[in-house]
Amino acid sequence: DAGVIQSPRHEVTEMGQEVTLRCKPISGHNSLFWYRQTMMRGLELLIYFNNNVPIDDSGMPEDRFSAKMPNASFSTLKIQPSEPRDSAVYFCASSAGTEPIYEQYFGPGTRLTVT
Amino acid sequence: AQKVTQAQTEISVVEKEDVTLDCVYETRDTTYYLFWYKQPPSGELVFLIRRNSFDEQNEISGRYSWNFQKSTSSFNFTITASQVVDSAVYFCALSEAQIGTASKLTFGTGTRLQVTL
Repeated sequence: DAGVIQSPRHEVTEMGQEVTLRCKPISGHNSLFWYRQTMMRGLELLIYFNNNVPIDDSGMPEDRFSAKMPNASFSTLKIQPSEPRDSAVYFCASSAGTEPIYEQYFGPGTRLTVT
Repeated sequence: AQKVTQAQTEISVVEKEDVTLDCVYETRDTTYYLFWYKQPPSGELVFLIRRNSFDEQNEISGRYSWNFQKSTSSFNFTITASQVVDSAVYFCALSEAQIGTASKLTFGTGTRLQVTL
């Protein structure tokens, strides 16, 4: 079975450019999470969706970040304009959200470098 | 607010040694879930175990075992007879329990385990 799919795996862009990260959750999962990992702040939640509806976006750093989930099989995280401090690994995770399976399964991550 | 503390930043052991990774958590919820994830050098996050707050039974899976103690708010992870392939960063995480849906994970800062020959 395919796990969580993220694209691109690596992205290098210049400051001020728009960046779009993509995620395809595991089929049948109804919860999707975006996390960011940096050396300074560790792993932190940016936003999550249940049944395609954003539930908690309190971790989104600022208005430059936006996330959408137009359907159950696709989500995007967009940064516009990007800044060097956005450089990080961005993980997408999905969960079935039902007992006994509340585990979140993570994609391979997108390593973003903003120069 | 939820908080997870992994006081051990880095641990180095020689292969075949046993090693315990500590995790202490804080939450006001009466029902919650605890997790351990492994992040090998390749970078992916691999789920290891989930524990419900109302189930304090310890669990063993091969060389891995977990000790959940609600009285001390701890969920420690022991690797018996460590191997070089166990070298990774290990994260403890906490989430609140919601009916019918998953909730966000609050991660600790991770413990880097280095196993050498």
